[in-house]
Amino acid sequence: NAGVMQNPRHLVRRRGQEARLRCSPMKGHSHVYWYRQLPEEGLKFMVYLQKENIIDESGMPKERFSAEFPKEGPSILRIQQVVRGDSAAYFCASSTGQGRDQPQHFGDGTRLSIL
Amino acid sequence: AQSVTQLGSHVSVSEGALVLLRCNYSSSVPPYLFWYVQYPNQGLQLLLKYTSAATLVKGINGFEAEFKKSETSFHLTKPSAHMSDAAEYFCAVSGMNTGFQKLVFGTGTRLLVSP
Repeated sequence: NAGVMQNPRHLVRRRGQEARLRCSPMKGHSHVYWYRQLPEEGLKFMVYLQKENIIDESGMPKERFSAEFPKEGPSILRIQQVVRGDSAAYFCASSTGQGRDQPQHFGDGTRLSIL
Repeated sequence: AQSVTQLGSHVSVSEGALVLLRCNYSSSVPPYLFWYVQYPNQGLQLLLKYTSAATLVKGINGFEAEFKKSETSFHLTKPSAHMSDAAEYFCAVSGMNTGFQKLVFGTGTRLLVSP
């Protein structure tokens, strides 16, 4: 059973470029969460999506960041015109349902480095 | 709003010694609480969770945690540390005022185990 798959594992971009991070949830999971982890900090919630719907994006910066979870294919976190401060580890998690006791299963993350 | 405080960014123990990682939470509603472990360059793995049932929760790898409402604490313990326990540990809270499991993480505690 494959877990949550994130790719790429490492991504290097120059300032001003676009970064696309992909997340394939576990089989049978239709709920996806994105978190950002800055160096020496805990994870911070960014966005929660169900298939074709953004449910809560209260943790997402208002500009340059967007997320989607299409009917087919992986969830995508997109960062336009990246800046040095976007350097972080981005984690995706998935679950079968949205209840508060539903465990979230995490991928191994994408480490984004901005030159 | 919910928040989590983890006291001690680093904890060092000897192999075989008791492990105690501290977590205090703040929540205006009954909380759901979680402990996750993160190994280098990997995602988070759920150790255990408290969802308003038994206050003493047993998890994987010999870890357990006790929910103490009067102290607003959810400390993680293990009777005897093993070298393989060396990792980063995160406490997280999920509030009831969101319709889904919106996790708020602490800043983490790095556990170091010496022979």
